[in-house]
Amino acid sequence: DQQVKQNSPSLSVQEGRISILNCDYTNSMFDYFLWYKKYPAEGPTFLISISSIKDKNEDGRFTVFLNKSAKHLSLHIVPSQPGDSAVYFCAASAYSGAGSYQLTFGKGTKLSVIP
Amino acid sequence: NAGVTQTPKFQVLKTGQSMTLQCAQDMNHNSMYWYRQDPGMGLRLIYYSASEGTTDKGEVPNGYNVSRLNKREFSLRLESAAPSQTSVYFCASSGGPGRVAEQYFGPGTRLTVT
Repeated sequence: DQQVKQNSPSLSVQEGRISILNCDYTNSMFDYFLWYKKYPAEGPTFLISISSIKDKNEDGRFTVFLNKSAKHLSLHIVPSQPGDSAVYFCAASAYSGAGSYQLTFGKGTKLSVIP
Repeated sequence: NAGVTQTPKFQVLKTGQSMTLQCAQDMNHNSMYWYRQDPGMGLRLIYYSASEGTTDKGEVPNGYNVSRLNKREFSLRLESAAPSQTSVYFCASSGGPGRVAEQYFGPGTRLTVT
């Protein structure tokens, strides 16, 4: 059973508008959430994260919102730019012992920003 | 700082052949990970090493072995490759000060098993 779900495989947005990517999770033990961006033929790159004790974290054009009661998080990109076109992965973290944290990834959402 | 490096970038194997994927990080991270990415499947954890000298299974360990050679290096071995192991393999590391949960990924190895 998928513990982290990204229900939209793809999303198209006009340049300058807001992109909203959604993610749902089922495991209450997850205590840290991350978004990664991936371009073709490259490794995922860390974008932004949020601890379960917060409900919002901002970094420039990127904001992540966490709704713990709904087990839902979202990534907002404002304004969207053509260079934001990539696959975005939501990941949830749980402590796995000895200082290590395992990440569980969603299947990704492909964002296309149209000039 | 090169971050996380992986070799080779591409590899084609015949069924039954063996190979080792190499990974190294220069960020002084304690933890290292191996993932595979298949179309429509996201990233799935194969093995991880919380610290030098320890390794543990992840979600999909069958058909793989790992070695944490030292703090910098973590290798993934396929003893007898199968077509089902055709995938893109990513190595990652984590353990930066104040950012222990954030993992940093290498560029990947694209493996085809025929």
